[in-house]
Order: sequence, then structure tokens, then C-alpha cells
Amino acid sequence: DTGVSQNPRHKITKRGQNVTFRCDPISEHNRLYWYRQTLGQGPEFLTYFQNEAQLEKSRLLSDRFSAERPKGSFSTLEIQRTEQGDSAMYLCASSGGTGGFEKLFFGSGTQLSVL
Amino acid sequence: GQQLNQSPQSMFIQEGEDVSMNCTSSSIFNTWLWYKQDPGEGPVLLIALYKAGELTSNGRLTAQFGITRKDSFLNISASIPSDVGIYFCAGYLNTNAGKSTFGDGTTLTVKP
Repeated sequence: DTGVSQNPRHKITKRGQNVTFRCDPISEHNRLYWYRQTLGQGPEFLTYFQNEAQLEKSRLLSDRFSAERPKGSFSTLEIQRTEQGDSAMYLCASSGGTGGFEKLFFGSGTQLSVL
Repeated sequence: GQQLNQSPQSMFIQEGEDVSMNCTSSSIFNTWLWYKQDPGEGPVLLIALYKAGELTSNGRLTAQFGITRKDSFLNISASIPSDVGIYFCAGYLNTNAGKSTFGDGTTLTVKP
């Protein structure tokens, strides 16, 4: 397994457009997380899944944000009607298996720029 | 919500020096973790701590779970240029929770 994979690495979009990001976790991990990170800040929790169930969502996740993990494997994060304030690095992480739930393995992130 | 305060915000040191940084919270955490992030990449786990007073090493890195359970410390001995990066602490309020809270990081610069 090559680790957590995120696509695309970079996304530039115009305000008002919809964007979708994909995350492929480490195959043996049943938990998958989405975090958002802006410059000079630590990652902020958005949501997480255990298998296909979305167990917790942050208040940061407005109605314009939706995340899915339909078969308990890969996940998508969609942002509708993007705003300039959505510009950030969106990080995906996974955990579980023999490593324990608390140890997060992050992907390289998707850097979103909203013009 | 819970907040983790990391100190110092940034450090500029000479290669070979030792480094200390810390992370404090107003809440009690059951698990503390330390991550390192390189530019353009996601954080990478360095050390996980599970019990108050626990001291754990990973090569030149040593981390401690504070006795009060409201703080944690990370030390790097004999720093080298590849130690450059941002170091984040993270904590779980309870071990069954999915959400971990991250600090805002300590940026380390090592001068050769």
C-alpha cells in the first residue's frame, strides 16, 4: 500500500463553481477523516467516517460541504458554490487496522484556490 | 471548543543544538500525538503518548505526556537540517473519539 492518496493536488476555481476532491485511504484502515488547513494554522477537523458511516461533522462544515464514502473505501468531499474563504489545503487521513484509531496517516492534501 | 496552544511559535537554531517545544490545553486529554509537516505535504506522525507521565522516544525525538494531562512536550536532540518543518501537537479528549484537535504548530528553522 502506498499510503493515503488525494486527487487533485491542486485546484483553482472561480467563485461560485462546485469542486470535488477524492481521497483513497490505506486499504486496511476503516476510519477516514477530512481536515482543512490554512496558512499558519493547524489542521481543523471537518468530518470522519467509520466504514461508510459518517459519524461526526464539525460546525465548520456548512451546508455547501458534503462528504461521502459510499462503499467504505474511497471518499469524496464536494464544495458547492465555492467562496474565496474556502481557499485552503484540504487534508484527508485514515486510521485503524493494527495501528490503532488514534494514529492518523495523512495524504499530501488538495490545495484549493478560489478566485 | 478545545484549543491547544503551542510554544514557541517559531524557532531559529544552529545545527547540533537541542530543541524543546510544548503544547498546553485548558482541557484534559487522554492521548497526545506529535506530527511533523514539510511544505506542501500532509503531517507525518512522530510520537504517540497514552498515559500521564509517559516518556517516549523516536530516534533523536523524545516526547512526554504531562502529569496534569493538560500538556505535552517534544524535545529534539542534536538537530540536523532535515529537522526543518512545522511540528504540531494533537490531542484526543477521549480515546474512542474520532476527532483530534491540533495546535497551530511550532516552525523550526535549522541553520547549518
